[in-house]
Formats: sequence, C-alpha cells, structure tokens
Amino acid sequence: DAGVIQSPRHEVTEMGQEVTLRCKPISGHDYLFWYRQTMMRGLELLIYFNNNVPIDDSGMPEDRFSAKMPNASFSTLKIQPSEPRDSAVYFCASSPKGVGNQPQHFGDGTRLSIL
Amino acid sequence: GEDVEQSLFLSVREGDSSVINCTYTDSSSTYLYWYKQEPGAGLQLLTYIFSNMDMKQDQRLTVLLNKKDKHLSLRIADTQTGDSAIYFCAENGSPLVFGKGTRLSVIA
Repeated sequence: DAGVIQSPRHEVTEMGQEVTLRCKPISGHDYLFWYRQTMMRGLELLIYFNNNVPIDDSGMPEDRFSAKMPNASFSTLKIQPSEPRDSAVYFCASSPKGVGNQPQHFGDGTRLSIL
Repeated sequence: GEDVEQSLFLSVREGDSSVINCTYTDSSSTYLYWYKQEPGAGLQLLTYIFSNMDMKQDQRLTVLLNKKDKHLSLRIADTQTGDSAIYFCAENGSPLVFGKGTRLSVIA
C-alpha cells in the first residue's frame, strides 16, 4: 500500500516567495495532519482536518500560513509570503481515526529552506 | 492541558541497553505510543501499549507503563548503530500529543 506522499521533498526559495506544499493521504483515512519540525521547537502540530474539514488550526503560526483540503485525497499547505524563519521540515500525516489504536502515518516530509 | 515530556538526548555504546523515558499528563489516555524517526524520514510507529497493560515486549523492545506515575519507558536491548534515531513518545488524544523526542546516539 502507498503511504502518505508529500511533494516536493526539498524546496529552496527566496524570502517573499509563495511556497506550496502538497500531501496525498492514505486512501480511506479520515484525518489529515500538518506538522512542522525544527531543532528549536521540535514537532509542532499546525492544523488538522477531519473528512476534509479543518478542525483545529490553532497551531498555524501566522496569517501567512494557510491550508486546504479540497478533497479526500489531497491537501496543501501554503506560505505567502515566506520568511527565513519558516525554514523547517514540514510533515503531513493521516490516520483512519483520531484516537485509539489507529495512530498516525507520516510522510517523509518536505525540507523547506527560505533564503 | 495534555503534555508529554522526554529527555532530549541519550548516548549509549553498541551492545548495551538503551532506556528512553517519558512522562505524560492525561490519566485517561488509553493508548501510548513510541515512534521512531530516522534521518531524512518521517515518524514511523515503533510500538504501542494499551493502558491496561504494564509491559509489552516485542523482540529487542520492551515497553513499561507505570500508570500511577504516568511514566512510560522504552528499552532497547543490544542496541545497534541502526537504532540511532529520534524516538517520540505520544499519548492518544484528539489528536495525538507528541513529546519533543529523544535523540539516541549509538557509539560503536
């Protein structure tokens, strides 16, 4: 079975540019999560969706960040305009349920560098 | 609110046992998890334990749960260089609550 697929794997861009990260969750999973990982702050939950509807976006750092899930098989995380402090690894994860013995499955992440 | 605490670093010699500790706050957690993150990859579920268990063993891995103290540990026997990774403890919530991860370094 295909796991969670993220693209691109690496992104290098200049500050001020728009960045779009993409995620394809595992088919049949109801929940989708976006995380950010840095050395300083560890793993941070940014936002998560249930059945394509955003449930909690309290982790989104600023209005420059937005996330959408137009259908069950695709989600995007957009940063506009990007800043050097946004440099991090961004992970997408999905799960069939939010709790219990159905834990989250992670993609391999997008390593984002803002110059 | 829910919180999961872990030490950030652990260094062990190859062949020794590693013990990674974690404390959590939500006494109603029914599942607790250990994830492993290898360099350049996402987190992968390593093992989990149900809250009505005290111990779970899976080959070189032993998970111990002390519900009274809200303490979870992961023991890796005969630690190998391939075990070098970041290990995350997580408690089930809506959604999962992760610790910051323990970076395990194995010295040959």
